[in-house]
Amino acid sequence: SSELTQDPAVSVALGQTVSITCQGDSLRGYFASWYQHKPGQAPLLLIYGENNRPSGIPGRFSASTSGNTASLTITGAQAEDEADYYCNCRDSTSDHLAWVFGGGTKLTVL
Amino acid sequence: QLQLKESGPGLVKPSETLSLTCTVSGGSIDGSSYYWDWIRQPPGKGLEWIGSLYYSGTTYYNSSLKSRVTMSVDTSENQFSLKMTSVTAADTAVYYCARHGSSGRYSFIEYWGQGHLVTVSS
Repeated sequence: SSELTQDPAVSVALGQTVSITCQGDSLRGYFASWYQHKPGQAPLLLIYGENNRPSGIPGRFSASTSGNTASLTITGAQAEDEADYYCNCRDSTSDHLAWVFGGGTKLTVL
Repeated sequence: QLQLKESGPGLVKPSETLSLTCTVSGGSIDGSSYYWDWIRQPPGKGLEWIGSLYYSGTTYYNSSLKSRVTMSVDTSENQFSLKMTSVTAADTAVYYCARHGSSGRYSFIEYWGQGHLVTVSS
């Protein structure tokens, strides 16, 4: 099955900009969706498609894709953005419909 | 507002079958073009897609779990279920049910249950 690779941990100073990346062959054909996951809570959909935010998601979250790499950017990181972040997309290498998650990135806001 | 809630035993013995149910409220499972997912997170690890059930009843499973997993739907109760056989300690995880939309090149999981911890232990 396809893999999506994320850096295990990233840190950002309060108010600064940070990008979290997700790499995988499936991203050449399918867009990633991005999720924020805090302990004890259900994951929260942040971005899907080219760069679509569900209602209620702050505009500081944005996404882009280039080749086999998808990126989630947080412009002006806030303390409450400290969380785990996961990418997810359809697995283009599977012989049947399937989806795959990245391994997750732990974001620390300094 | 759509809501999903997982239910089932919190403790399962090794080699036995894990059974979970997801009850959907605020919307119908039947007749809507969404996938209904099971996703899990073992302690200290990342999210893992287990499988998806299309509203028509067609199922799709993670290849690594396919031999042990069965998903089914009960439209009369607006529920869908997961059964996983021959569990081991490696199946200990928080299990989430979710609704998954997909169209063309994009997909998204907008609604999630609160999660249900299942521990495999004797």
